[in-house]
Amino acid sequence: SAVISQKPSRDICQRGTSLTIQCQVDSQVTMMFWYRQQPGQSLTLIATANQGSEATYESGFVIDKFPISRPNLTFSTLTVSNMSPEDSSIYLCSVAGGWNSPLHFGNGTRLTVT
Amino acid sequence: AQSVTQPDIHITVSEGASLELRCNYSYGATPYLFWYVQSPGQGLQLLLKYFSGDTLVQGIKGFEAEFKRSQSSFNLRKPSVHWSDAAEYFCAVGVTSGTYKYIFGTGTRLKVLA
Repeated sequence: SAVISQKPSRDICQRGTSLTIQCQVDSQVTMMFWYRQQPGQSLTLIATANQGSEATYESGFVIDKFPISRPNLTFSTLTVSNMSPEDSSIYLCSVAGGWNSPLHFGNGTRLTVT
Repeated sequence: AQSVTQPDIHITVSEGASLELRCNYSYGATPYLFWYVQSPGQGLQLLLKYFSGDTLVQGIKGFEAEFKRSQSSFNLRKPSVHWSDAAEYFCAVGVTSGTYKYIFGTGTRLKVLA
């Protein structure tokens, strides 16, 4: 399976600032997704990162707050903008080889907003 | 709307006892089904998957799961639990809703008593 590298692994940020999380995959993948896992909670899909076009956002998530880029089939970024303490969470990059493939995850970015 | 339900938030079993974690899904077609495990401080690891064919699938670490279409269920089982199985378990489905995506259940936290 693909090896997914996510940076930073953790960060502590002040409210009102923005953080960009990078996701690098060691092979080309068809699908890339960004999830959020709040403390003690399940995984919530933020958006599907589409190569060369705008991401597809889930209900409750908007591009202004969570802009996503995917310039090629191996790399994506998620920015958490104008952060508040409610954005404290683990953000997970995940990839799948196709519609009948399992999802694989990076180790995540643990974000704390003070 | 598609959804995944894990009715049991917490389960406690004694080491050596059998285990069954429940998962029900709501989807108009047969989804692709997955179970993941997340150990404390660790990333998400795929335990097993079901796409088609034999409804009883074997996974890693001695886990198995059975797909029951009539009950829209995909329950995870293990005949004898080890202390190292203590973790959070997530059921997930791959569905097509505009785009293809993976939806996760709320998770079941397993505690193993020595």
